[in-house]
Amino acid sequence: GAGVSQSPSNKVTEKGKDVELRCDPISGHTALYWYRQSLGQGLEFLIYFQGNSAPDKSGLPSDRFSAERTGGSVSTLTIQRTQQEDSAVYLCASSLSASSDTQYFGPGTRLTVL
Amino acid sequence: TQLLEQSPQFLSIQEGENLTVYCNSSSVFSSLQWYRQEPGEGPVLLVTVVTGGEVKKLKRLTFQFGDARKDSSLHITAAQPGDTGLYLCAGVFNKFYFGSGTKLNVKP
Repeated sequence: GAGVSQSPSNKVTEKGKDVELRCDPISGHTALYWYRQSLGQGLEFLIYFQGNSAPDKSGLPSDRFSAERTGGSVSTLTIQRTQQEDSAVYLCASSLSASSDTQYFGPGTRLTVL
Repeated sequence: TQLLEQSPQFLSIQEGENLTVYCNSSSVFSSLQWYRQEPGEGPVLLVTVVTGGEVKKLKRLTFQFGDARKDSSLHITAAQPGDTGLYLCAGVFNKFYFGSGTKLNVKP
């Protein structure tokens, strides 16, 4: 399909371990966003990329969270030393450009930290 | 503190009833969006409203942007079970600010 894809769809990890979440945006979309959603709640902005650079990292909750984007395409969100409060659905979205107001979301990765 | 407050948080109604969901803020946005999200999926954009006072209709859904571009409402006429889901509003000002969501359940 031509939509945004995320992997894995589900991740269960133990407290203290590191996890990597992957997002494949729609081909040609230069802007990419990461959000966090707690059970049935609204979305919390984490970080956004324009190309490979991240003009806005203001939403990252702590220095345990980092993200990178390579080749203007795939992005990886890394959470180090996971805590139970990190448990949530992590959603990725892409848009044609940063000035476009139409975002296309992936299905999310459900992270559970035991 | 949420920049955008949605009400009600939960709504359970019978098929055929009408309902209104509200999205309020003290901030002005350049545009406001409404999304619907089903379990296990990402949100899907329903509409973007840009002009203060603007009204947009999408079949049985009517969206209104407040005159001051700080608030919005979503009205659904004759709700159907297929309307069940989480409705999210998002204010756009340099980036996207999402509300806390309204979980709608339409019972057949």
